[in-house]
Amino acid sequence: EPEVTQTPSHQVTQMGQEVILRCVPISNHLYFYWYRQILGQKVEFLVSFYNNEISEKSEIFDDQFSVERPDGSNFTLKIRSTKLEDSAMYFCASCRDDYGYTFGSGTRLTVV
Amino acid sequence: AQSVTQLGSHVSVSEGALVLLRCNYSSSVPPYLFWYVQYPNQGLQLLLKYTTGATLVKGINGFEAEFKKSETSFHLTKPSAHMSDAAEYFCAVKAGNNRKLIWGLGTSLAVNP
Repeated sequence: EPEVTQTPSHQVTQMGQEVILRCVPISNHLYFYWYRQILGQKVEFLVSFYNNEISEKSEIFDDQFSVERPDGSNFTLKIRSTKLEDSAMYFCASCRDDYGYTFGSGTRLTVV
Repeated sequence: AQSVTQLGSHVSVSEGALVLLRCNYSSSVPPYLFWYVQYPNQGLQLLLKYTTGATLVKGINGFEAEFKKSETSFHLTKPSAHMSDAAEYFCAVKAGNNRKLIWGLGTSLAVNP
């Protein structure tokens, strides 16, 4: 069964550093998403991406965040200058239609 | 705006007992509804979804859920709990043209021997 692959599974970074979280969506999917889950809190939508551009972003997704699909297969989330409150599990998801979401296993980001 | 409420952040059942995890939603348009499961240190796995048609949907691992429009509910059930069902369960809604999922806070299910 096709999978969404996320790397790394864990990332520890110092406050102020840039991090790039990587995702390989399912190849025939058209819509791509990033969500995050702060420990003990609900899963939150960050951004959706379609046709090589952001289709929607939440208020969380400020200028410190960016997404890119550099080569037609990878889908990356960059955080330019990490803050302590960015520590969370970040999930990538993709879907082909309106309801066939597939999530990756997540990247646990710890900012120290 | 859409929202999801999961009643009970922690539910504990005995092995073999009925599992009932509650989810209520609010949406001004017909919703698509989802249940996801998250096992420890793993990602989000789709259990089942309701889009249109039959209101009772069956998912993986013996779970099912019923969409009740009049009650704005989508409760998850399983007739007989297994130890391996211990996990975090999330209800989510997608409504209208907005493709993002809105999530509940999750319910942690413990299964006692």
